[in-house]
Amino acid sequence: AQSVTQPDIHITVSEGASLELRCNYSYGATPYLFWYVQSPGQGLQLLLKYFSGDTLVQGIKGFEAEFKRSQSSFNLRKPSVHWSDAAEYFCAVGARNAGNMLTFGGGTRLMVKP
Amino acid sequence: DGGITQSPKYLFRKEGQNVTLSCEQNLNHDAMYWYRQDPGQGLRLIYYSQIVNDFQKGDIAEGYSVSREKKESFPLTVTSAQKNPTAFYLCASSPSRTGGIKTQYFGPGTRLLVL
Repeated sequence: AQSVTQPDIHITVSEGASLELRCNYSYGATPYLFWYVQSPGQGLQLLLKYFSGDTLVQGIKGFEAEFKRSQSSFNLRKPSVHWSDAAEYFCAVGARNAGNMLTFGGGTRLMVKP
Repeated sequence: DGGITQSPKYLFRKEGQNVTLSCEQNLNHDAMYWYRQDPGQGLRLIYYSQIVNDFQKGDIAEGYSVSREKKESFPLTVTSAQKNPTAFYLCASSPSRTGGIKTQYFGPGTRLLVL
């Protein structure tokens, strides 16, 4: 079965600084990978996804993520963080032979200092 | 406006009471899902349905029940057998499962509290 680890429970960055949120997965083949964002008390919004092809994926709100097979990682990056980016971020993995099921990481809460 | 609606936003349950959370989608998606979210634990799958009149248990189905009588609707009942129901409940939907994995889209959630 697949699994996802987000090693950082909380991260604090200054506004304007760069951001990298880590995601490591465990799966025997090439997975489907997703990043979602959740504002307090809200549902999840899709930021970006990787299914195949170019390993650098662009998403909404200026986010990007890079799939690195050798490191089993799919880290989320943003060059300059805005105060409105403060939220919780979830990485998820889907297995190619498991229907449409997703396994989610525990989430990383991002705080932005002014 | 296409999307997923969940109601109510907040729900209070008394001991021994069953409560039902509503989830409706107008995206014409075949598949629907219910997740439970607890702090620091990410999302855990309760039930899912790939097609009308069919559904399967997820990882934490005990104490919950669902129905899928219409494509647009997938209500979740939290029964009195669920001893720790306080959580944030999220409903999601995705297009047909055929042809490979499809993106799941989420509703705004319902927060369930026990009185």
